[in-house]
Amino acid sequence: DVKVTQSSRYLVKRTGEKVFLECVQDMDHENMFWYRQDPGLGLRLIYFSYDVKMKEKGDIPEGYSVSREKKERFSLILESASTNQTSMYLCASSRNGRSYNEQFFGPGTRLTVL
Amino acid sequence: AQSVTQLDSHVSVSEGTPVLLRCNYSSSYSPSLFWYVQHPNKGLQLLLKYTSAATLVKGINGFEAEFKKSETSFHLTKPSAHMSDAAEYFCVVSVSGTYKYIFGTGTRLKVLA
Repeated sequence: DVKVTQSSRYLVKRTGEKVFLECVQDMDHENMFWYRQDPGLGLRLIYFSYDVKMKEKGDIPEGYSVSREKKERFSLILESASTNQTSMYLCASSRNGRSYNEQFFGPGTRLTVL
Repeated sequence: AQSVTQLDSHVSVSEGTPVLLRCNYSSSYSPSLFWYVQHPNKGLQLLLKYTSAATLVKGINGFEAEFKKSETSFHLTKPSAHMSDAAEYFCVVSVSGTYKYIFGTGTRLKVLA
């Protein structure tokens, strides 16, 4: 059974803390994505990676960075957490090459910044 | 530019009655379209996808969707709703030649007993 796992389901952090969200996929997918999900806004792309050490900014990259040192692992970093980063964070992966390749999603991390 | 619009933010149906969740898209190219479902506090799961092979696409759990180019629509249907169908549903279009997927804002389906 293919899987995308995220390191935490729930996380509570304080304003100004550095936060790491980890995502691991076991499908040997080239592409990995980080989204945030907020009510009424759907999913918004934060960052995307199409290969090890390669990354591209999505629609809302401000306040975030990413790291992809290994093909199976994609980390999202909040350099200095703020209350407006309280959200659900979803990781996804997909195969490269075809626009009809679907994404596979992790269960999500619900982050609360106090 | 590609975009996707889910016409209803909330839909309520009675158990055993048909489900219709509406999605319109805008695309300069022949699009790939997807429907995902998200149960509470879970990640998204693929229901079905359109890849130009057939305009009527069958998915999991009895759902299907029809691609209508003339209407730029990709509505999701199910003949008979079940309580377990209560969830949020997302219509997604992939941007040809890129990695990007564009998500609709979601439709929350409520199933009444």
